[in-house]
Amino acid sequence: DSGVTQTPKHLITATGQRVTLRCSPRSGDLSVYWYQQSLDQGLQFLIQYYNGEERAKGNILERFSAQQFPDLHSELNLSSLELGDSALYFCASSAQALAGGNEQFFGPGTRLTVL
Amino acid sequence: AQTVTQSQPEMSVQEAETVTLSCTYDTSESDYYLFWYKQPPSRQMILVIRQEAYKQQNATENRFSVNFQKAAKSFSLKISDSQLGDAAMYFCAYLDSNYQLIWGAGTKLIIKP
Repeated sequence: DSGVTQTPKHLITATGQRVTLRCSPRSGDLSVYWYQQSLDQGLQFLIQYYNGEERAKGNILERFSAQQFPDLHSELNLSSLELGDSALYFCASSAQALAGGNEQFFGPGTRLTVL
Repeated sequence: AQTVTQSQPEMSVQEAETVTLSCTYDTSESDYYLFWYKQPPSRQMILVIRQEAYKQQNATENRFSVNFQKAAKSFSLKISDSQLGDAAMYFCAYLDSNYQLIWGAGTKLIIKP
């Protein structure tokens, strides 16, 4: 158990819908990262938050947005869903903004299926 | 832009034998970090080993060790005394100066009993 929690574990929805994925980082970790993993592919970095502020942005679509709240939990919002958005979405946390190469601890992921 | 290449989609090894997984990367940075992550069938991402580019000594963690060749931009993972529990997807990742992890496509490791 990494200490990072993600809810829900599974999500099935229809095209055009909007969903929210939730992540709680390890206690004390200030950085939260979101990744997308399509079937049998590597991970694609989406976005990073550090202590409530956006720190880095990767290949995140305009239909996707995220935020980190004062209690440090984060939410990833996916809207106007398309079939291609079906994937495993991981959240990870680390103590700092990875200065010093701090390990990222991964949550169990949320499997999103868009029908 | 940095890229990470894992040229072996799948590798198999006999239990108790040694296997090496390859990873190459492309970067113009001189200071960075490299990681190997393991993803078993449970899909959980687990850090296996990490290497800091400014350290010449290869990292080791029990049965796992790396061969880091900075000039060649190569970062291979050696697993000694392979065990059935080592069966998983293995991902090589590069941490860039913007704190983004750039991932390889992964290598599926099969352990033959």
